[in-house]
Amino acid sequence: GQQVMQIPQYQHVQEGEDFTTYCNSSTTLSNIQWYKQRPGGHPVFLIQLVKSGEVKKQKRLTFQFGEAKKNSSLHITATQTTDVGTYFCAGPRSGGSNYKLTFGKGTLLTVNP
Amino acid sequence: NAGVTQTPKFQVLKTGQSMTLQCAQDMNHEYMSWYRQDPGMGLRLIHYSVGAGITDQGEVPNGYNVSRSTTEDFPLRLLSAAPSQTSVYFCASRKGQILEAFFGQGTRLTVV
Repeated sequence: GQQVMQIPQYQHVQEGEDFTTYCNSSTTLSNIQWYKQRPGGHPVFLIQLVKSGEVKKQKRLTFQFGEAKKNSSLHITATQTTDVGTYFCAGPRSGGSNYKLTFGKGTLLTVNP
Repeated sequence: NAGVTQTPKFQVLKTGQSMTLQCAQDMNHEYMSWYRQDPGMGLRLIHYSVGAGITDQGEVPNGYNVSRSTTEDFPLRLLSAAPSQTSVYFCASRKGQILEAFFGQGTRLTVV
């Protein structure tokens, strides 16, 4: 079945460096969502992208949805220790149904102060 | 609003025991799901429901049962616990198909 692949699995940066995680799907997605999970916590919704080529910003976070709606990225500018956590992308299962929300395996970000 | 409430937060079971993980939401959400999270595996969908009386299987349903008798509650039953079911379990709910998911705090289950 359709999978949402996410890379890298881990990323360690120095505080102040930038960070990017990528999400790729073998099929076109109707929408894609991004979540953040702090260590020991639960996933928390960050944003949803729906339109082809869409770019959204939240302070130092920039989210993009590819033109073909098969890939997405999350970029963090000048990371801070508060950015530590696992970032997940999530998209609906293939076949048109949005009932099943499928998550990538996540990218664990650690930040060295 | 309490959001999505999961109980218990921690549980240790012996192999072969059964138990029910509780999940309740007070947001009148139609869609509810159960995920398990294992290191390096992300969040995998166990079962989901699109409304009271309607449930369906996700990616990893074996060994788990669900029911949805009310809009608010979506319990997950482990029929005969196995060590492979040691995991962190998250319940999530959504108002609509393409709207954000709200997660509970999680249940950390250990099967020995």
